[in-house]
Amino acid sequence: KQEVTQIPAALSVPEGENLVLNCSFTDSAIYNLQWFRQDPGKGLTSLLLIQSSQREQTSGRLNASLDKSSGRSTLYIAASQPGDSATYLCAQGDSWGKLQFGAGTQVVVTP
Amino acid sequence: ETGVTQSPTHLIKTRGQQVTLRCSSQSGHNTVSWYQQALGQGPQFIFQYYREEENGRGNFPPRFSGLQFPNYSSELNVNALELDDSALYLCASSSGTGADYGYTFGSGTRLTVV
Repeated sequence: KQEVTQIPAALSVPEGENLVLNCSFTDSAIYNLQWFRQDPGKGLTSLLLIQSSQREQTSGRLNASLDKSSGRSTLYIAASQPGDSATYLCAQGDSWGKLQFGAGTQVVVTP
Repeated sequence: ETGVTQSPTHLIKTRGQQVTLRCSSQSGHNTVSWYQQALGQGPQFIFQYYREEENGRGNFPPRFSGLQFPNYSSELNVNALELDDSALYLCASSSGTGADYGYTFGSGTRLTVV
């Protein structure tokens, strides 16, 4: 059974610190890995999409890496801000676009 | 360019009733997927529609059904509601099927079954 795991389930950091969020997946035939942000009671906002042929993607303060051999992806958020407080979800995509999600990491950035 | 719009935003139903949730896909997108997100969990794939045909289904019973219309908007129907159906239902659209396409998600419909 394919699984996506995110550890830790929750994380609290002071403003200005860098955030490191981890995602593990079991499907070595992964087609892509996506990171999403979810605010309480809201839908998902796509942050970064890494194709299986890529090793990382960057957007502003966000950087995501993908290591298929170890089944891991890491999302780095530099110089965290209170506005970064949200739940971050990773999802592996298969060949026809179905996403399998982890349970998410809830992040709180304190001023 | 409009995003993905879902209606209604909140809904309360009684066990055993039927419900229809609606989704308008982003302009230019022909693929719609539906996900169920229980409290504290990640979204679970229900099914995907591509050009009005079901294009894949997750581990959900037949009482979960869907439709996609010629304008690529979509409906999710759930019959014989159970308490465990209480969840946030998310719709996502894409400009194609397959791993090369990213998804745009709507804000979801919060369904409460009492």
